Amino acid sequence: DAGITQSPRHKVTETGTPVTLRCHQTENHRYMYWYRQDPGHGLRLIHYSYGVKDTDKGEVSDGYSVSRSKTEDFLLTLESATSSQTSVYFCAISSDPAETQYFGPGTRLLVL
Amino acid sequence: AQTVTQSQPEMSVQEAETVTLSCTYDTSESDYYLFWYKQPPSRQMILVIRQEAYKQQNATENRFSVNFQKAAKSFSLKISDSQLGDAAMYFCAYISSGTYKYIFGTGTRLKVLA
Repeated sequence: DAGITQSPRHKVTETGTPVTLRCHQTENHRYMYWYRQDPGHGLRLIHYSYGVKDTDKGEVSDGYSVSRSKTEDFLLTLESATSSQTSVYFCAISSDPAETQYFGPGTRLLVL
Repeated sequence: AQTVTQSQPEMSVQEAETVTLSCTYDTSESDYYLFWYKQPPSRQMILVIRQEAYKQQNATENRFSVNFQKAAKSFSLKISDSQLGDAAMYFCAYISSGTYKYIFGTGTRLKVLA
């Protein structure tokens, strides 16, 4: 299994609170991704990174920001959490965009 | 914009039987990649099979095979000799060559009946 972890695995927070999710990899893969998974929507890309300090928006990036200061860590921040951001968040890594993505175990976030 | 459609929200198959999950996509690109991912109840996403669009030969991985019809923009997954462990959500995904953005379908929940 690819070495990819996410923390925390579960989080409950209140509306308006900032939240940061962490993705950590030990595979030295260049590409990292954040997705959210909601019933009826499959997985939707929030942000992605194609190198240290190189990031770009996905299809549902509003309300989210990311940072990647080193190869192994990719942080997703909800600046001011809203109930619509209640979801399961997955991090993924790949050596090349056309190659297999390896997914983390997911973080279940509940915003009250 | 590219889209991926999985028209079967849920399917059932008897153990040891064969089932086919459908996926269609819309793109104007000629060079791209297609994937099937499996998500069991543990939520861990796992690659099932990968297809390169420029290859005419259908990809196969043990009991899993695809029927890739490029002109029809269809990419179905066939699971032979279904096992209880195949019960999961299955997602079809697409990425155009030279881009970074995967596009996923909404998933098909497969139930395997003993």
